[in-house]
Amino acid sequence: AQSVTQPDIHITVSEGASLELRCNYSYGATPYLFWYVQSPGQGLQLLLKYFSGDTLVQGIKGFEAEFKRSQSSFNLRKPSVHWSDAAEYFCAVAARPGGYQKVTFGIGTKLQVIP
Amino acid sequence: GAVVSQHPSWVICKSGTSVKIECRSLDFQATTMFWYRQFPKQSLMLMATSNEGSKATYEQGVEKDKFLINHASLTLSTLTVTSAHPEDSSFYICSAPGGGSGMYEQYFGPGTRLTVT
Repeated sequence: AQSVTQPDIHITVSEGASLELRCNYSYGATPYLFWYVQSPGQGLQLLLKYFSGDTLVQGIKGFEAEFKRSQSSFNLRKPSVHWSDAAEYFCAVAARPGGYQKVTFGIGTKLQVIP
Repeated sequence: GAVVSQHPSWVICKSGTSVKIECRSLDFQATTMFWYRQFPKQSLMLMATSNEGSKATYEQGVEKDKFLINHASLTLSTLTVTSAHPEDSSFYICSAPGGGSGMYEQYFGPGTRLTVT
């Protein structure tokens, strides 16, 4: 079964600073990988996804993530954080091939942005 | 893009009563939908897979008699929390996978905050 580890529960960065959120996955084959963002009391918004091809994936809001098979990682990055980026970020993995059900989420990383 | 809605966005009910939460795919059809539960400061946990025209598939540890799921049409799935108790208070989120090349991508509803008093 697949699993996702987000080692950082809470991260604080200054506005304008760079950001990297870590994600490690466990799955026997090449997985589908996602990063979602959740604002308080809201649903999830997809930031970006990796299915295949270029291992550096560009997403919305200036985010990018890099798939590194050798490290089983899919870290999320942003060069300059804005105050509006404060939210909870979830890394997720979906099994493939076969069914698309049972997307597994990491525990989430809460991002705090200070002026 | 694909949009999934949920109704209500929040609900307060008394212990022992039942509450129904709707999940709709607004601009696409979904033969499968998923129901998640999220406790405060925790991740999303898959509760069940809702299948149009057939019985839902529940994850281990989820009481199917307590969390009734009905997927009556290609755009609507409902989750009914029966005989609700305070420990059922949570944030419930549904999702539906995109079709075609987007089949591995899920579109999430905005969630429903349930408070049982």
